[in-house]
Amino acid sequence: GESVGLHLPTLSVQEGDNSIINCAYSNSASDYFIWYKQESGKGPQFIIDIRSNMDKRQGQRVTVLLNKTVKHLSLQIAATQPGDSAVYFCAETYSGSARQLTFGSGTQLTVLP
Amino acid sequence: ETGVTQSPTHLIKTRGQQVTLRCSSQSGHNTVSWYQQALGQGPQFIFQYYREEENGRGNFPPRFSGLQFPNYSSELNVNALELDDSALYLCASSRDNSGNTIYFGEGSWLTVV
Repeated sequence: GESVGLHLPTLSVQEGDNSIINCAYSNSASDYFIWYKQESGKGPQFIIDIRSNMDKRQGQRVTVLLNKTVKHLSLQIAATQPGDSAVYFCAETYSGSARQLTFGSGTQLTVLP
Repeated sequence: ETGVTQSPTHLIKTRGQQVTLRCSSQSGHNTVSWYQQALGQGPQFIFQYYREEENGRGNFPPRFSGLQFPNYSSELNVNALELDDSALYLCASSRDNSGNTIYFGEGSWLTVV
């Protein structure tokens, strides 16, 4: 996924609803994927990761789904809270790349009261 | 709290000057990567250090250089600063470069005027 310019995709959800953030990745050789949350003025915060030998992984209130056939990743957040408002990035990497991360374009999640 | 600390948090430099940014990796982590994040975009990989050696480099000119010390802390040096170097510089550490979780610091905000 190539990063795009200043106009991030946005998602607005009501507090308490579930959120789904999608990401298309670019490299079919990628074997490790990470979702990060980035609040304004802060560094990316690790949320959850998944390896290519899995289709689904669950954490606390979050689930990541991986579809390697169409090179698609999604992050599901259950019972979205105001503190979940942030920019969410997916990142991909593969074993021959010194594990450098390639970030997607990011999605701005806004939780409405 | 990721255990990755960066300094300084903010700084302003003049075009043509040089800057050094510092990073202390999480305890036990021997791999440090540096990323540049322009406003509204995802982080871009600059380079990685593994056991004091450069282990991969992104598409950045040679005036971006780095070091890793025996305690695995790291420096990013940028010479001949340009206005476009204004960005958030992020340090990320992991236990090694084989696919363990990668944690980011809060970053150093560099403004070039």
